[in-house]
Amino acid sequence: DAGITQSPRYKITETGRQVTLMCHQTWSHSYMFWYRQDLGHGLRLIYYSAAADITDKGEVPDGYVVSRSKTENFPLTLESATRSQTSVYFCASSMWDRGRKETQYFGPGTRLLVL
Amino acid sequence: LAKTTQPISMDSYEGQEVNITCSHNNIATNDYITWYQQFPSQGPRFIIQGYKTKVTNEVASLFIPADRKSSTLSLPRVSLSDTAVYYCLVGRSNDYKLSFGAGTTVTVRA
Repeated sequence: DAGITQSPRYKITETGRQVTLMCHQTWSHSYMFWYRQDLGHGLRLIYYSAAADITDKGEVPDGYVVSRSKTENFPLTLESATRSQTSVYFCASSMWDRGRKETQYFGPGTRLLVL
Repeated sequence: LAKTTQPISMDSYEGQEVNITCSHNNIATNDYITWYQQFPSQGPRFIIQGYKTKVTNEVASLFIPADRKSSTLSLPRVSLSDTAVYYCLVGRSNDYKLSFGAGTTVTVRA
């Protein structure tokens, strides 16, 4: 039971390059999320998806693109990386649970350094 | 999303009980209170969730007073491995956007 995985775990890139971070979950959860975590800001939501082909912006979407062609995958692309996008990126998934607040399950994170 | 306020840090020793209080004065009727734990270099992990009164599981207890304007996460007999950041979140069951604040850094010493 792999759960939720992210790749790569570490990435170094240069300003202006395109970078794609991958996220894969094996639970068939309908909802998936991308967060970034920076010192002093906690976790901030970048984008989320309610189902395949349905995505929506979160708190800090500028400079990022997402897609969700399959339920299990939710890649995050930095079309032209900037130094301010150096961060730790977490992917999460959750399922709708009637009558309670759903639980989000987080991946191990990807540490991205933009030079 | 209801705003939450919790202490920035807390220190404790092994075997002690740690209580972290979170204020959420503008909590809405349909909001739940959820706590997550994050170890260094890992993603957050769900600990416990409640709506009112008291909830207990194998990891922690959550105390919620009648007015629901605050909640207290209680970690019984902490060990060194409980050193982590603890986040208090408030939100509705049909709102999938979670708002993580800075959390409370709990440091457990031997």
